[in-house]
Amino acid sequence: QSALTQPASVSGSPGQSITISCTGTSSDVGGYNYVSWFQQYPGKAPHLMIYEVSKRPSGVSNRFSGSKSGNTASLTISGLQAEDEADYYCSSYTIRSSYVFGTGTKVTVL
Amino acid sequence: EVQLVESGGGLVQPGGSLRLSCAASGFSFEDYVMKWVRQPPGKGLEWVSTINFGGDSTYYADSVKGRFTISRDNSKNTMYLQLNSLTAEDTATYYCARSTFDFWGQGTMVTVSS
Repeated sequence: QSALTQPASVSGSPGQSITISCTGTSSDVGGYNYVSWFQQYPGKAPHLMIYEVSKRPSGVSNRFSGSKSGNTASLTISGLQAEDEADYYCSSYTIRSSYVFGTGTKVTVL
Repeated sequence: EVQLVESGGGLVQPGGSLRLSCAASGFSFEDYVMKWVRQPPGKGLEWVSTINFGGDSTYYADSVKGRFTISRDNSKNTMYLQLNSLTAEDTATYYCARSTFDFWGQGTMVTVSS
């Protein structure tokens, strides 16, 4: 199972919006509404930001939103803040009853 | 408060074995599917294995199938991962995660080296 494709890096200025893409296939992203997004700071465990494509867990800022079109899911961070600088990973359930993660995107706040 | 605490990591020689544990608290452990995810140093996340509520259904990544075994003891609120025939490619931080990956442990490091 190949990793989902994410851009290696995305950057933006404070207050701006950025979008991270996550491209898979019809056997994973395109076939199921079980796409999640995680934020990870260096040396820390991942933290769930979005689940089931667009749902936000309790406590996650509404500046984070998720969507999906075909085989590509997206995470948008609006009103970018310094604390958003981290690595972000997507994941999807797959046709093989497994999970696949994305390649990861480093978000830099300029 | 939901807590997941991994233990059992360490340095092991190629071909060796380890057993990782994930102790859960703060929720009804037996009601949740549980997962293992690993992350090699400086690299991305990789799903390793999933176990259902009762432990009778298990799933594995192709990279570990036949070498790793996931299990759970609901009476002890603990999940396990038995790692056998380890290679350098298994060197990683191993995380346990609940259900929809909504809670994660802090991770335990496994280093395979001679």
